[in-house]
Amino acid sequence: DAGVTQSPTHLIKTRGQHVTLRCSPISGHKSVSWYQQVLGQGPQFIFQYYEKEERGRGNFPDRFSARQFPNYSSELNVNALLLGDSALYLCASSLSGTSVFFGPGTRLTVL
Amino acid sequence: GQNIDQPTEMTATEGAIVQINCTYQTSGFNGLFWYQQHAGEAPTFLSYNVLDGLEEKGRFSSFLSRSKGYSYLLLKELQMKDSASYLCAVSPNAGNNRKLIWGLGTSLAVNP
Repeated sequence: DAGVTQSPTHLIKTRGQHVTLRCSPISGHKSVSWYQQVLGQGPQFIFQYYEKEERGRGNFPDRFSARQFPNYSSELNVNALLLGDSALYLCASSLSGTSVFFGPGTRLTVL
Repeated sequence: GQNIDQPTEMTATEGAIVQINCTYQTSGFNGLFWYQQHAGEAPTFLSYNVLDGLEEKGRFSSFLSRSKGYSYLLLKELQMKDSASYLCAVSPNAGNNRKLIWGLGTSLAVNP
């Protein structure tokens, strides 16, 4: 069985640009969460979606948005990129909440 | 507020046992997770505790005391490949809202 997949694995953008990150959860998992992890720190919660509805939102500006599709895959969009948005973006999927599995992440570099 | 504390760094010797502690203060509690993260990689799930007591999984065990807001991860027969960051995370909410609150991680160095 495939685990959580994310694309792209690496991305380089310049300030002011827009980026879309993609995630496919483990088959059968309906919950997808997005996290931002800056080097040397724990992940910070951005969004959680369950059954295509937003169920939680972290303390991130409106430049960050996300959605979940009928097949439970998800996109994270970030507008007007800032240097501080450079981080590892992690997608996690969960079935029952007793185990949360992460994808390999997308390393975003903003120049 | 929500707070999770764990030591920043630990050092241990190959073959030894190490215990990594985590204390938490969160608005609610619906389970505590331990993850292992190697540099540049995504976190890998190790354990989940929601009831008090010890959960053993091979060389790794995790303990929870809800009344004390305390957990530890025990690693036995340490191997060099266990050198990594170990992250403690708490799920404060039940149901389908599964936001995790994370500690900053404990960087474990295993020496020969």
